[in-house]
Amino acid sequence: NAGVTQTPKFQVLKTGQSMTLQCAQDMNHNSMYWYRQDPGMGLRLIYYSASEGTTDKGEVPNGYNVSRLNKREFSLRLESAAPSQTSVYFCASSPLRNRDSTDTQYFGPGTRLTVL
Amino acid sequence: AQSVTQLGSHVSVSEGALVLLRCNYSSSVPPYLFWYVQYPNQGLQLLLKYTSAATLVKGINGFEAEFKKSETSFHLTKPSAHMSDAAEYFCAVSSRTGFQKLVFGTGTRLLVSP
Repeated sequence: NAGVTQTPKFQVLKTGQSMTLQCAQDMNHNSMYWYRQDPGMGLRLIYYSASEGTTDKGEVPNGYNVSRLNKREFSLRLESAAPSQTSVYFCASSPLRNRDSTDTQYFGPGTRLTVL
Repeated sequence: AQSVTQLGSHVSVSEGALVLLRCNYSSSVPPYLFWYVQYPNQGLQLLLKYTSAATLVKGINGFEAEFKKSETSFHLTKPSAHMSDAAEYFCAVSSRTGFQKLVFGTGTRLLVSP
């Protein structure tokens, strides 16, 4: 039982390049999330998927797209990377057993992205 | 809009001393509150959460937090710090209605000296 896995662990891009960050969970969770973590700013929600087949914008969606490929996988795409997207990216999942928002989110180990 | 404020980006304690990490929330309705911990080069993991059952919440590794509505606070404490507690701690808030979207504070790095 691996929990939430993310690939790659590290990536360096040049401005304008594109890439996709992969995330998978093996806990049969319904909901998945993408966050970015920047020094002094905590974690900010980029996109989330409440259930398979749905995606919605979070707090900082500009410059990103997502795909909920199936129940297990949720990918984050940078179409044209910019230096401002240098960050650590975390994927998370939660069961969403009920609608009262008490679920625990389980986080992956993160992807450290540098855009030059 | 909901928000949380964590006072102090860094807190230093000696091993065996009391740990107190502060979190205040802003919300018109008492929200759900969470503390997450992040060890170096790892993802976040849940320490504890307040979901309105009891105001004093016990978590893993000897941590606890008390929800105080009158002070809009949810401070995290541990009676005796251990070297292994050195990490970054995040307070987060979620609305009681609608889909869970956590809003995180800026984090407090706990440093423990021998």
